This record gives sequence, structure tokens and C-alpha cells, in this order.
Amino acid sequence: SQQGEEDPQALSIQEGENATMNCSYKTSINNLQWYRQNSGRGLVHLILIRSNEREKHSGRLRVTLDTSKKSSSLLITASRAADTASYFCATAHDYKLSFGAGTTVTVRA
Amino acid sequence: GAGVSQTPSNKVTEKGKYVELRCDPISGHTALYWYRQSLGQGPEFLIYFQGTGAADDSGLPNDRFFAVRPEGSVSTLKIQRTERGDSAVYLCASSLKWWEKPSTQYFGPGTRLTVL
Repeated sequence: SQQGEEDPQALSIQEGENATMNCSYKTSINNLQWYRQNSGRGLVHLILIRSNEREKHSGRLRVTLDTSKKSSSLLITASRAADTASYFCATAHDYKLSFGAGTTVTVRA
Repeated sequence: GAGVSQTPSNKVTEKGKYVELRCDPISGHTALYWYRQSLGQGPEFLIYFQGTGAADDSGLPNDRFFAVRPEGSVSTLKIQRTERGDSAVYLCASSLKWWEKPSTQYFGPGTRLTVL
């Protein structure tokens, strides 16, 4: 079973626009991580936010975490065609990652 | 090596056959994980190794699945009597000891298994 749920399932935006996706989860976590996957193969780690952090930035990525609502969001600013991929949130409890079903993002040139 | 490697990248087999999938973790990573990803879904945890021993195999779906890591580095996931439902991408990841600090899991490119 998958703990995280991403919303929306799919997102289509114009190059240069921002993309926002959300993740909700059910149980307590040590940290939450976001991954990107191209063409259904290897996952690339994007960012990790600890349970005692509320916001984190990395380049064009901004992640927020609200543990009281058990939710997180990932914002990609000034999107590029190369950002087209599936994005997954993964909650970490000790060593185990639990992934959601992902958000498929398409960036149109 | 530079990253996690997995072989083969694709495996097509017939129902009932035995398959082995190999994972080479990042050098120095003591923790190794196997996940399975079905079409349209996120990866699901199968098994976790800390060193040579399987610390948690609770995600293995049944006793046809088995994994080993005899020297604490390379791991092999073994599937006996394959079924069509086993078709998926099998992902391997490695990390530093998870309890020392929040440890990022680095994923390999996966093995796409197709059971005909």
C-alpha cells in the first residue's frame, strides 16, 4: 500500500510558468523527500525536508511541509521543457520510503 | 562507482521461469533497498539490507521472492516460478546508514521485467 497521495495526478503547463503539486500522507514521518522520474525508469532525488522544517529551497524548487496537516507541496518555478517528468513524494519513517502514485508534469514549449 | 547500477536493464522471461536481478550499490553505502514499481504507480518497498543481512523483508510479496547480499555490497533479487503479475520495474537504491543522519536513497535505473 502507498502512504502518500499526490495531487493533481497530471499537470500541463506552458514553459516559464510555475508548477505546484501537493502530497498528503497518513502516518508520522522522519522526513519527506521528493523525487523525479523520467520515462518510468530511475528516480532522481530532488530535495529532502525534515519533519522539524517548514520550508526548503533548492534552485528553482521550493518545498513546504505542514506536519499538522500531514501535507507537503513542491513548487517548480520558471518551468522548462526538461522539467517534463513524473514527480513523487516519499515519506520516510526510519529507513523505509513510502511513495505516492506521482504527478505527471508536462511542460509545453 | 559513480552511481547505483542494475543489470540487466530489461529482462523478458516466460511464466514459470526463474530470474535473477543484480544491483551494484554506490561504493561505501552500507544500506541497500529493493523496490518494485508497477505501471502508473510509485515504487513499493520490498526489502532492506544493512550490511549483509536482510534487516526488513516485510515487503516481499510471497516466498517466490528472495534477495541476498553475501558480501555486503552487490545484491541479487531472485524470483522463482515467475508469474505475469511479477511484470514491473525493479528498482534498487543505496544509502549511508539511515540512522546517522537523514539519508538520501540513490536509485539505480531499474530492471524492467516482463513475464510472458
